[in-house]
Amino acid sequence: ELKVEQNPLFLSMQEGKNYTIYCNYSTTSDRLYWYRQDPGKSLESLFVLLSNGAVKQEGRLMASLDTKARLSTLHITAAVHDLSATYFCAVYTGGFKTIFGAGTRLFVKA
Amino acid sequence: ETGVTQTPRHLVMGMTNKKSLKCEQHLGHNAMYWYKQSAKKPLELMFVYSLEERVENNSVPSRFSPECPNSSHLFLHLHTLQPEDSALYLCASSQDTRGYGYTFGSGTRLTVV
Repeated sequence: ELKVEQNPLFLSMQEGKNYTIYCNYSTTSDRLYWYRQDPGKSLESLFVLLSNGAVKQEGRLMASLDTKARLSTLHITAAVHDLSATYFCAVYTGGFKTIFGAGTRLFVKA
Repeated sequence: ETGVTQTPRHLVMGMTNKKSLKCEQHLGHNAMYWYKQSAKKPLELMFVYSLEERVENNSVPSRFSPECPNSSHLFLHLHTLQPEDSALYLCASSQDTRGYGYTFGSGTRLTVV
């Protein structure tokens, strides 16, 4: 069974600092997504990574995918309070299924 | 608004009640999904509809009954639920089922008492 593991599950960081969230998965896939969820809100699509070596950036967030290592990273540069949210990675397994990680709850302290 | 609208936003129901959750999308998507988000578990896929036909039922108890009357609407009918069914129920849609990402609705926060 496919497993998608995120770490850390909880991250408290200072504004202005950099950090990386990791997403490991246990089977082959060439398609991975990152979502953001604010408390009480729905999931918002951040990035769709469609091939090995894919890198996408939006503002202070940059996501990358290494399909050989079965690893995706979400890098946060110079964090600001507005980035506080829960971040999910999700792996497409084929057919109709996408498996979500448990989420990383990020809190950026002013 | 994301383009996927769910109603109601909050629902409290007794274990003997029958209620329905509604999801509507006007994005022209052909696939719709129900997900369950509990406090201590990752998102769980419940049902998938592609072109109004159910293509996946992920071992969901029969007290949850989906209905997709057309490609824009999806319902989740609930009856004789248990307290452990309390969760956030998210509807999502996608262009097709080949994994190009989802658009999620805001969810229905369900509490079973």
